[in-house]
Amino acid sequence: KQEVTQIPAALSVPEGENLVLNCSFTDSAIYNLQWFRQDPGKGLTSLLLIQSSQREQTSGRLNASLDKSSGRSTLYIAASQPGDSATYLCAACHNNNDMRFGAGTRLTVKP
Amino acid sequence: DAGVIQSPRHEVTEMGQEVTLRCKPISGHNSLFWYRQTMMRGLELLIYFNNNVPIDDSGMPEDRFSAKMPNASFSTLKIQPSEPRDSAVYFCASSPGLGLYNEQFFGPGTRLTVL
Repeated sequence: KQEVTQIPAALSVPEGENLVLNCSFTDSAIYNLQWFRQDPGKGLTSLLLIQSSQREQTSGRLNASLDKSSGRSTLYIAASQPGDSATYLCAACHNNNDMRFGAGTRLTVKP
Repeated sequence: DAGVIQSPRHEVTEMGQEVTLRCKPISGHNSLFWYRQTMMRGLELLIYFNNNVPIDDSGMPEDRFSAKMPNASFSTLKIQPSEPRDSAVYFCASSPGLGLYNEQFFGPGTRLTVL
């Protein structure tokens, strides 16, 4: 069964701290892995997409890594800001045309 | 570009009624996706289209659900008859590429409540 798990479910940090969000997937036969941000009452915004042949992707203060062999991806946020407060979801696109989302990590960055 | 447009934003209906959700993808995008998000089950892919053709509807929960894409700029998701357990937020997304392999752009969602 293809499952995607995100730990922790919620995280609260003071402004300026660097933090890591974790995503694990049971089936390593993935085509890509994506990280999204969701603000309350809104749709998802794509942050980073890592193809299966890549190890990491970077965009500004965000860095996502992918380790297929261990079934893990991490999203690193540097110098966190209150505006980063949101729910972060990862999604694994499997080779059998199935896309599975994690339940998300709800991040709160306190001023 | 206005992004992916969904209507209505909120829908409240009674059990047994037909519900139609609408989506306008970003112009020029080739794939369109319908998702459902609930507290219990999280975000689930229901169905997606490549160039207006349904590719994979294995995520559609029951025969009460149907989706169409009559042209490149419009898609509908219909539930008939609706049930309280269909209450959820339904998202539409589109992608410039084909299938699940490219970045997806999400609409704001339709919050459906079935009484």
